[in-house]
Amino acid sequence: DTEVTQTPKHLVMGMTNKKSLKCEQHMGHRAMYWYKQKAKKPPELMFVYSYEKLSINESVPSRFSPECPNSSLLNLHLHALQPEDSALYLCASSQEVAGTYNEQFFGPGTRLTVL
Amino acid sequence: GEDVEQSLFLSVREGDSSVINCTYTDSSSTYLYWYKQEPGAGLQLLTYIFSNMDMKQDQRLTVLLNKKDKHLSLRIADTQTGDSAIYFCAGAGNNRKLIWGLGTSLAVNP
Repeated sequence: DTEVTQTPKHLVMGMTNKKSLKCEQHMGHRAMYWYKQKAKKPPELMFVYSYEKLSINESVPSRFSPECPNSSLLNLHLHALQPEDSALYLCASSQEVAGTYNEQFFGPGTRLTVL
Repeated sequence: GEDVEQSLFLSVREGDSSVINCTYTDSSSTYLYWYKQEPGAGLQLLTYIFSNMDMKQDQRLTVLLNKKDKHLSLRIADTQTGDSAIYFCAGAGNNRKLIWGLGTSLAVNP
């Protein structure tokens, strides 16, 4: 299995809703990432988990709450979002070989619309 | 600071070669990547080149790296309509952060 899967594919939510995005990989990767991507722009890094521990938080608002329950799963919990949070949310994973960069493999994304 | 620049648009005829260019400012980038994104889809890693290489070829794809000029290019031979997409170059040092270009939108005309 050489892919990253994400669910749901599309999500529409109101500003008072609570929802979660899910990401899964079975490549044995120990680093997992959340990115936000606006249309026709490059992805913006949000969070990085390494060995199930949060290692990077790019000053993301607290209405986004990541969780890594195990080495294969990554969640992004959403609460009280704003319309400007509407975007494509991408999950990625990579190996964690020390001292070098490990290429990231991306999932297909969740298209989020906040009304 | 770190920066990666790309031309925003490229239009080619089917069967021609496409060349997408990228310049970067961070000379510590150890790896340089090319990602492809089709409409409504995620990012697909196409190829990468290590900073001590000048060229890498993978089927229809050729990556050229001019480290002196900090210039990276991706050549797609015999471009097909299925190659229409946005192509991002990205540089990476010895950490988890990728520095992304703004992407080049490639349109392939029949």
